[in-house]
Amino acid sequence: NAGVTQTPKFQVLKTGQSMTLQCAQDMNHNSMYWYRQDPGMGLRLIYYSASEGTTDKGEVPNGYNVSRLNKREFSLRLESAAPSQTSVYFCASTRGLAGYNEQFFGPGTRLTVL
Amino acid sequence: DQQVKQNSPSLSVQEGRISILNCDYTNSMFDYFLWYKKYPAEGPTFLISISSIKDKNEDGRFTVFLNKSAKHLSLHIVPSQPGDSAVYFCAASIGDRLAFGKGNQVVVIP
Repeated sequence: NAGVTQTPKFQVLKTGQSMTLQCAQDMNHNSMYWYRQDPGMGLRLIYYSASEGTTDKGEVPNGYNVSRLNKREFSLRLESAAPSQTSVYFCASTRGLAGYNEQFFGPGTRLTVL
Repeated sequence: DQQVKQNSPSLSVQEGRISILNCDYTNSMFDYFLWYKKYPAEGPTFLISISSIKDKNEDGRFTVFLNKSAKHLSLHIVPSQPGDSAVYFCAASIGDRLAFGKGNQVVVIP
């Protein structure tokens, strides 16, 4: 099993450009998440999806959109990138069942917006 | 408003000694507490967890203690090894959502 995969690993954008970060998991998990990590800020939740076809805003959703394409894939889109969106982005997934749910993380996408 | 707080951003410890990381939380509805470990250029990986109804959980060199009345938990690593050098995140869950602390950098000196 590959676990959680993310593409691309690195990306440099100019202000105003758009892009989509891709995430896929092969663990048959129900819930998927997008986080951003900034220096000294820990991990902050952008959006999450509790199941296929549903999405909800997290702590810092402004400037982002998401699509839960199917059970495996959850993409994050930046429509008009801004320098404040320079960050490392992590996708995660979990079983999403009642009780304890450990989240599994992908390797991250390092995004720089100039 | 941050619900999970990790103070003392960095910790240096000699190999073989104990590393103690602390975490405070504000929301009494959290049902599980987790510690994640993160190496540079990698995603966080799960280390150990504890249910809110327990006060201790041990897994090899790692022990997590929970003090619900103080809304405080700690992670003990003993003995510390050079491979433990990483950033450690405390996290707390309600259902399938996690709230993370800012992380502690641990450096184990050989």
